Amino acid sequence: DIQMTQSPSSLSASVGDRVTITCRASQSIGTYLNWYQQKPGKAPKLLIYAASDFYTGVPSRFSGSGSGTDFTLTISSLQPEDFATYYCQQSYSPPLTFGGGTKVDIK
Amino acid sequence: QVQLQESGSGLVKPSETLSLTCTVSGYSISSGYYWGWIRQPPGKGPEWIASAFYSETTYYNPSLKSRVTISVVASKNQFSLKLSSVTAADTAVYYCVRGIEVVPAVTVYKDVFDMWGQGTMVIVSS
Repeated sequence: DIQMTQSPSSLSASVGDRVTITCRASQSIGTYLNWYQQKPGKAPKLLIYAASDFYTGVPSRFSGSGSGTDFTLTISSLQPEDFATYYCQQSYSPPLTFGGGTKVDIK
Repeated sequence: QVQLQESGSGLVKPSETLSLTCTVSGYSISSGYYWGWIRQPPGKGPEWIASAFYSETTYYNPSLKSRVTISVVASKNQFSLKLSSVTAADTAVYYCVRGIEVVPAVTVYKDVFDMWGQGTMVIVSS
């Protein structure tokens, strides 16, 4: 199985801050990497697919980059509605696997 | 507007079979895409269980494969999950999902989960 490791597991930030979350795959996955946002008690929502492409309706302050084993999700200017947990997921090969999550909370 | 809704028992006894159904509205399952199940234990990350294209093509997480069956009933616009011989470790929120293929340039990307049900909590306890 491909293991997905996210860092940090949590971070505190203020509105307007630039936030970067890292996801590392245990083997090369090309750009088969997706990012999701999850708020408490809700289902995850797709933000980014293919490492850097925006899903419909996702604000442009979110961006994704990377290929191979190292990926990042960046929020350029954190907004109040962005406080949530973020997960990466590899779709390179089954079993499809997710990272452990990065919780972004208010500083 | 595509919506997915899980239904089924929220409490299952150890060693019994967990059964869930997902009803899809706003999109016909027979039109395509993959349909699957993902679970999330309390306080943990999501875990993919299985996906199906109709019932002709199915693939499973090897860690659960011996206990899992996914099936699609296109005539009802539903798909289902059965997980046998459950233990407390199977306690989780279970989500039904739609898995799409996207082709931003030349490469085809599968298993991008763009639609999720609201989730249903399943507790395994006697």
